[in-house]
Amino acid sequence: DAKTTQPPSMDCAEGRAANLPCNHSTISGNEYVYWYRQIHSQGPQYIIHGLKNNETNEMASLIITEDRKSSTLILPHATLRDTAVYYCIVRVEGSNDYKLSFGAGTTVTVRA
Amino acid sequence: NAGVTQTPKFQVLKTGQSMTLQCAQDMNHEYMSWYRQDPGMGLRLIHYSVGAGITDQGEVPNGYNVSRSTTEDFPLRLLSAAPSQTSVYFCASREPGKGFYEQYFGPGTRLTVT
Repeated sequence: DAKTTQPPSMDCAEGRAANLPCNHSTISGNEYVYWYRQIHSQGPQYIIHGLKNNETNEMASLIITEDRKSSTLILPHATLRDTAVYYCIVRVEGSNDYKLSFGAGTTVTVRA
Repeated sequence: NAGVTQTPKFQVLKTGQSMTLQCAQDMNHEYMSWYRQDPGMGLRLIHYSVGAGITDQGEVPNGYNVSRSTTEDFPLRLLSAAPSQTSVYFCASREPGKGFYEQYFGPGTRLTVT
C-alpha cells in the first residue's frame, strides 16, 4: 500500500476554509484516497474518498492533483465541532483490506 | 440498528490481570477488526476476522487473543495485562466487497493498566 505523509497539526479559524494536505507519491493506479476523521474520544468517521476526479459531499471536498501524488481535503466552513484528527489513507477499493492501519494524521484545531 | 457496540467504556486493570473487551454488531457484517490507538501512533490493527470461526493476526497481536464463534460477536482477550497495553481500543465491522469507507467503528474502550 502507498504510504501517506500529513502535517502533524494545523489551526483554522472558525468559519474559514480548512485545507488539509496529504502526500502519497507512491500511489498506484488502482488505489483510492480516503479521508477519515476522529473527534476526541469517538471512533473514526468516514469523510470522503476519490480516485482521480475531485469529489464533494455534504462534509467536505477532495482535490486530487493530476499526477495523483498529493491531495487536499477542504472543509469549506470550519466549525468548532470539526476539531479532530484527520487521516489520509490510500487503499484499493473493495479489496480484502482488512489489514488496514491508520497513520498519525493531522490534528486540526478550529479556533473561535 | 445499534451498529457496533463495545463494553466496557472504561477499565482499569492491574498488571497480570486478564479481561475480555466485548464487541458486538447487529448489521450481519462478516468482517470485524480490533484496533488500538496510542498517542501519535494512529490506529493499529490487532486482530481481525473474516467470518465466524476465522481469525488472523494484524500488526500488533502479541498479548491478545480473539475468537469468533458467532457473526455478531468478536471479543478481545488480554491474557496477562501489561502497562504497555494501556490504550484506547476500537472494534470495527464491515461487509466484504463493500467499499472501505463502509467500515463502522464502535465508540471505543479506554483501558489503563497499572
